[in-house]
Amino acid sequence: LAKTTQPISMDSYEGQEVNITCSHNNIATNDYITWYQQFPSQGPRFIIQGYKTKVTNEVASLFIPADRKSSTLSLPRVSLSDTAVYYCLVGDMGGYSTLTFGKGTMLLVSP
Amino acid sequence: DAGVTQSPTHLIKTRGQQVTLRCSPKSGHDTVSWYQQALGQGPQFIFQYYEEEERQRGNFPDRFSGHQFPNYSSELNVNALLLGDSALYLCASSRAGVVHNEQFFGPGTRLTVL
Repeated sequence: LAKTTQPISMDSYEGQEVNITCSHNNIATNDYITWYQQFPSQGPRFIIQGYKTKVTNEVASLFIPADRKSSTLSLPRVSLSDTAVYYCLVGDMGGYSTLTFGKGTMLLVSP
Repeated sequence: DAGVTQSPTHLIKTRGQQVTLRCSPKSGHDTVSWYQQALGQGPQFIFQYYEEEERQRGNFPDRFSGHQFPNYSSELNVNALLLGDSALYLCASSRAGVVHNEQFFGPGTRLTVL
C-alpha cells in the first residue's frame, strides 16, 4: 500500500478556502485517492475520491496532477463545523479493500 | 435508513478481562471491518468479515477475534485485556464486489482498560 504524507495540522478562519496537500510518491496504477473526515469521538466519514485530474462534489474538490504523486483536498469557504481531522488514503478501493490511515491533518477553523 | 450502529457506546474494563463489542452494518451491506483507533492516531485495521468468515486481518494478536452472523452483524472480542487496548473501536460496513467501495463507519465504542 502506498504511504501518504500530509501536514499534521493547519489553521484557518471562517470563510477562507483551505487546501490540504497529500504526498503519495509510491502510488500504484490501480490505486485511488480517497479523503475521509473525522470529528472527535465519531467514525470517519467519506468526503471525496478520485483517480486523476479533478473531482468535485457538494462538499469539496480533489485535485490530482498528471503524475498522481500528490493530491490536494480543497474545502471552499470553511466554517467552524469543518474543524476536524482529514485523512488522505491511497488504495485500490476494490470490493474487499481495507483502509490504511495515517495520522491525518488536524484542521482548526477559527472565527 | 439506519447507518452503521455500534454498542455499547462506552465500556470500562480491568486488565485481564474479556470484552465483546457489537456492530450492525448499514442496510444492504454485507461486509464488516473493524478498526482500532488510539488517542491521537488514525484508525488501524483489525480484520474484515464477509460471508461469516474472516477474509483479511491486520497486525493484531490472536487475543482479538470476531464473528459475523447470518444477518451480517458482527462482534469483536478481545481477551486478556491490556492497558494498551484502551481505544476507540470502529466498525465499518461496505458492499462486497463494489468497485471504488466506500466504507461507512459507525460512531465507535470507547473502551477504557484500567
